[in-house]
Amino acid sequence: GAVVSQHPSWVICKSGTSVKIECRSLDFQATTMFWYRQFPKQSLMLMATSNEGSKATYEQGVEKDKFLINHASLTLSTLTVTSAHPEDSSFYICSARGGLTDTQYFGPGTRLTVL
Amino acid sequence: GENVEQHPSTLSVQEGDSAVIKCTYSDSASNYFPWYKQELGKGPQLIIDIRSNVGEKKDQRIAVTLNKTAKHFSLHITETQPEDSAVYFCAAGRGTSYGKLTFGQGTILTVHP
Repeated sequence: GAVVSQHPSWVICKSGTSVKIECRSLDFQATTMFWYRQFPKQSLMLMATSNEGSKATYEQGVEKDKFLINHASLTLSTLTVTSAHPEDSSFYICSARGGLTDTQYFGPGTRLTVL
Repeated sequence: GENVEQHPSTLSVQEGDSAVIKCTYSDSASNYFPWYKQELGKGPQLIIDIRSNVGEKKDQRIAVTLNKTAKHFSLHITETQPEDSAVYFCAAGRGTSYGKLTFGQGTILTVHP
């Protein structure tokens, strides 16, 4: 299957700082990428959908000014958590789909801990 | 919007037995139904998917069935092995250019040796 990577795999930061997470599709061009958040023992919650070259579409209740998403190329999307607080601590997972297929391939996730 | 219900939340089986996980969806326009396996601390891995133009799909020990009329679909794992132990998520989506998926709540499958 297609490979999606995320970097970093884990990060610890102080409250008030910003953290950037990268999502890359390694062997295909991703026209659409998705960012999810997952709390322990819970399902995946879609945060936003990003299409290459256009602004991301955020789900209801997700602050677009806090979670900045950039989809600069067909293989890279970034999520920046601005002014992070302890309640932002979570597992963030990206997924990517290429072309007109519905198949989404997920990255390995990034564990964010805000102290 | 779409709502996906998944049952059971936990499932415990003996090695070699079969496991069945069921999901229902609410949006009759949904036409794509993938299943993902997630191991602890990792991202979800696609294990099988089905589209609404077929009723069943099989891949070795894994099969998925779809009943469009009743709006439910199921994952069947035969001859379970300890390495099948993980959290399984079903999802539903429309065949639009954005491919947004709605996930079920997840099922923790434990296979006892």
